[in-house]
Amino acid sequence: GAVVSQHPSRVICKSGTSVKIECRSLDFQATTMFWYRQFPKQSLMLMATSNEGSKATYEQGVEKDKFLINHASLTLSTLTVTSAHPEDSSFYICSAREPLAGGPSSYNEQFFGPGTRLTVL
Amino acid sequence: SQKIEQNSEALNIQEGKTATLTCNYTNYSPAYLQWYRQDPGRGPVFLLLIRENEKEKRKERLKVTFDTTLKQSLFHITASQPADSATYLCALLFSGGYNKLIFGAGTRLAVHP
Repeated sequence: GAVVSQHPSRVICKSGTSVKIECRSLDFQATTMFWYRQFPKQSLMLMATSNEGSKATYEQGVEKDKFLINHASLTLSTLTVTSAHPEDSSFYICSAREPLAGGPSSYNEQFFGPGTRLTVL
Repeated sequence: SQKIEQNSEALNIQEGKTATLTCNYTNYSPAYLQWYRQDPGRGPVFLLLIRENEKEKRKERLKVTFDTTLKQSLFHITASQPADSATYLCALLFSGGYNKLIFGAGTRLAVHP
């Protein structure tokens, strides 16, 4: 299947700093990428949908000014956690989907990255 | 809002037996229901997808059923192996918009030799 990579796999930062996480689709073009957050023993919670060349769509309760998303190309989306605090410590997972001919609302298999473990001290 | 329920308690079974995991949802039936496997510290890995107009889907030792009347999906692993030990996530995808995939909390499966 297709491969989605994330970088870094693990990051530790001080409170108040910003952290950037990269998500890349390695062998396909993804017009839509998704960012999830997962706390221990909990479900993946969708944070936002990232669309190439346009603004991200955030889920209710997710602060768009705190979690900046940039989908600058068909193979790269970035999530920047600004002014990180200890409560932002979590496992962040990106996902990408290769569109079918029917356009962005058509469905195709969704591939997930390996995740990024963020720890804010 | 849509709710997805998976058994939060771990499922412990003996090697060779069939593991059956349950996924129940409320409100609207999804266009697609999917099952993923997640190992600790890793991203989910896609296993099977079943559409709303399908009753059953198989792939090797895996079988998924989908009952839109009961609003339930069952995920079966036959001839289970210790390597099948992982957390299994049920995910619902609703048509329209950008087709967001919504996950259940997952059920941890432990297969003992």
